[in-house]
Amino acid sequence: ETGVTQSPTHLIKTRGQQVTLRCSSQSGHNTVSWYQQALGQGPQFIFQYYREEENGRGNFPPRFSGLQFPNYSSELNVNALELDDSALYLCASSSPLGGVNTEAFFGQGTRLTVV
Amino acid sequence: DQQVKQNSPSLSVQEGRISILNCDYTNSMFDYFLWYKKYPAEGPTFLISISSIKDKNEDGRFTVFLNKSAKHLSLHIVPSQPGDSAVYFCAASQYNNNDMRFGAGTRLTVKP
Repeated sequence: ETGVTQSPTHLIKTRGQQVTLRCSSQSGHNTVSWYQQALGQGPQFIFQYYREEENGRGNFPPRFSGLQFPNYSSELNVNALELDDSALYLCASSSPLGGVNTEAFFGQGTRLTVV
Repeated sequence: DQQVKQNSPSLSVQEGRISILNCDYTNSMFDYFLWYKKYPAEGPTFLISISSIKDKNEDGRFTVFLNKSAKHLSLHIVPSQPGDSAVYFCAASQYNNNDMRFGAGTRLTVKP
């Protein structure tokens, strides 16, 4: 059983650019959530995808968007990067039972630096 | 709006003693609570959870206590081991809501 993997592990982008982060969910999990963790803070919920549809969104602007593919892997896209977007981006997969939340399993994260 | 708070940024305990990590929440709609452990350069790892129908859940050395009236939960680690040194996050959500809210974390150091 493979865990959650994210790519790349680190990247540096320039303000105004666009970035795509990728996540492969744990085998058997159909739900992927994305979180942003700024330095010294806990992870903040960006959005969740369930069976290729967005299934909830946190307080993030529309320039944060995502996709989920038939194999349940997922992408997070951020347009018009701002300096404050510099953070650790975490992907978590889970398999809710009958709509009930269960524990999520996290990848190692992608460290994004915007300069 | 920080709905989940961990007021102690750090905690240091001696090996073999009890570690108690605390977490407070403000949203009375939360009914599912989790603790995650995070080592440097790794993603958070699920540790233990509790639903609001219980007030205690135990898994080996780890026990989570929930006090709904006080909107407070705690994680007890007994006995503490040096390998437990990590950042611990508490998180809360509603059963029918996928927005999991995290606290800012408590860095636990267990000294040999």
